[in-house]
Amino acid sequence: DTGVSQDPRHKITKRGQNVTFRCDPISEHNRLYWYRQTLGQGPEFLTYFQNEAQLEKSRLLSDRFSAERPKGSFSTLEIQRTEQGDSAMYLCASSLGQGASGNTIYFGEGSWLTVV
Amino acid sequence: DQQVKQNSPSLSVQEGRISILNCDYTNSMFDYFLWYKKYPAEGPTFLISISSIKDKNEDGRFTVFLNKSAKHLSLHIVPSQPGDSAVYFCAASYYGGSQGNLIFGKGTKLSVKP
Repeated sequence: DTGVSQDPRHKITKRGQNVTFRCDPISEHNRLYWYRQTLGQGPEFLTYFQNEAQLEKSRLLSDRFSAERPKGSFSTLEIQRTEQGDSAMYLCASSLGQGASGNTIYFGEGSWLTVV
Repeated sequence: DQQVKQNSPSLSVQEGRISILNCDYTNSMFDYFLWYKKYPAEGPTFLISISSIKDKNEDGRFTVFLNKSAKHLSLHIVPSQPGDSAVYFCAASYYGGSQGNLIFGKGTKLSVKP
């Protein structure tokens, strides 16, 4: 399978703990995105990378969130001191090209986070 | 302020008939539109896209129509099949806007009954 891969698929954690999600994009894609989706809503943009550079962050990405893409390949999204409001599906996506417009973004299967 | 709106939360269609899913947008700068399909507990799967220089794009059973003057697009599925039952998201972006940011609607849940 050469699609976008995310790990873990499901994570249950206690409030206050840190969690980390990993994403492996489609191999030739230079752009990698993180989105978040909650029930009844469409995916909401969090941040994106072009190669290893993090070029944009949404205001949804609070200081407790950090994303990295150290070698321009896989990426990690860490949430520190989790809160119940962080419970959501975290979606990674990738694309080839210069931007969202005109370029199709392909999503992974998502990582479900439940904070109890 | 929701820039991409899918006003019908759900739609039920008989197998073999046409499904029409609608999407309205408010930002006239949007120039690229996409439809994604999503099953529960899975990520969105790309279906079809359309650039603002076109008014129609077709791929098999799926056709997307764009009416720029009305800021409206629709996805037609003909014939509908039970496997098409899923949530469908409309998304939009524009050149010069946030380069990472697809703006999604809230989705329409399609149920295709055998």
